Amino acid sequence: AQTVTQSQPEMSVQEAETVTLSCTYDTSESDYYLFWYKQPPSRQMILVIRQEAYKQQNATENRFSVNFQKAAKSFSLKISDSQLGDAAMYFCAYRPLRDDKIIFGKGTRLHILP
Amino acid sequence: SAVISQKPSRDICQRGTSLTIQCQVDSQVTMMFWYRQQPGQSLTLIATANQGSEATYESGFVIDKFPISRPNLTFSTLTVSNMSPEDSSIYLCSAMKDITEAFFGQGTRLTVV
Repeated sequence: AQTVTQSQPEMSVQEAETVTLSCTYDTSESDYYLFWYKQPPSRQMILVIRQEAYKQQNATENRFSVNFQKAAKSFSLKISDSQLGDAAMYFCAYRPLRDDKIIFGKGTRLHILP
Repeated sequence: SAVISQKPSRDICQRGTSLTIQCQVDSQVTMMFWYRQQPGQSLTLIATANQGSEATYESGFVIDKFPISRPNLTFSTLTVSNMSPEDSSIYLCSAMKDITEAFFGQGTRLTVV
């Protein structure tokens, strides 16, 4: 079965510091996409970053970067220079190339301390 | 990208009644989905809304309880039928234009009393 596991239900980080959110997944597929979505209190799910499994290079989007370890099936998100607006629920998600469905982890609630 | 408008944003309903949630996308999309999310929890896929045909439901969800329509490439509705307090949740519409990204509406917060 394909599963996504986020082992940290909640995390806190001081403003301007760096934080890493963990995610592992289980799959027998070789081609797939991995995502991190952010859901602020407004409930709007926003794509933060995407990684194609066939790419060895880790994706980056401004202050957001991932550490993708395909063999270990690990996909962590690093947020640098944390800002108050980063406070949200973060979901790790997986989608195999041959399927349309996205599988979400249970989420990590990130608090930013001023 | 795609912008998704979902209505209503919230509602309080009496048990035994039905509520229809609308999802409008600002451009044509290939796939549309409906999710349920308990507050503070993850997203659970209810069904894939298929244009011009019956929706594809996930295990644990049935058409009689959650009828779905998708008359064209930009619009879908989800009805929550014969509601009970256990149906209180956030319902999210999602759409995909290609395989690389899913877009989401702001969700409908449903409370059944």
